[in-house]
Amino acid sequence: GENVEQHPSTLSVQEGDSAVIKCTYSDSASNYFPWYKQELGKRPQLIIDIRSNVGEKKDQRIAVTLNKTAKHFSLHITETQPEDSAVYFCAAFGSGSARQLTFGSGTQLTVLP
Amino acid sequence: DVKVTQSSRYLVKRTGEKVFLECVQDMDHENMFWYRQDPGLGLRLIYFSYDVKMKEKGDIPEGYSVSREKKERFSLILESASTNQTSMYLCASSTYPGASNQPQHFGDGTRLSIL
Repeated sequence: GENVEQHPSTLSVQEGDSAVIKCTYSDSASNYFPWYKQELGKRPQLIIDIRSNVGEKKDQRIAVTLNKTAKHFSLHITETQPEDSAVYFCAAFGSGSARQLTFGSGTQLTVLP
Repeated sequence: DVKVTQSSRYLVKRTGEKVFLECVQDMDHENMFWYRQDPGLGLRLIYFSYDVKMKEKGDIPEGYSVSREKKERFSLILESASTNQTSMYLCASSTYPGASNQPQHFGDGTRLSIL
């Protein structure tokens, strides 16, 4: 089945700096890649997603890039703010026999004021 | 806005008990999912359902079962609770029948402790 690896597990940045979180996946047929943000004690919430027919997608300060050849995708957050502090999860949808979302292990992002 | 409601935020049970975790969604979604969240392991899929009375195993189904008698309700059952099932349990739903490659909406989670 699908295997998703996420790095780094923890990331600290100064307010206003950029943050980048990277994920790799194993199933070359995967076609959907969402990113979720989970604040402390709250539910995971979808912040951005990308499909395999697109290389990049932006939404204000957040962007996701996808490299199908290398089988990796990344989340970019620019001009970070303290409220960006949370755990971020990547996921990949394997279109093979699994046909389910497989999540990465998560990244704890801390934005220092 | 989609609302996924889990019946309990916190639950404490004893080993050997039969435990029921309930999840209800109000958006007429076809697909429902149960995940387990543990530190350093992300979210792991236990069971999912694409239709009423339908269920499929995820990555870690051992020790669990599910029930979906109505479209809006998906129950996770721990047949005989064990301490290694102490975890955060998250329910999610999504639309488009039979497809997981759509945004999933999560509940607030149930933190289950097995003593």
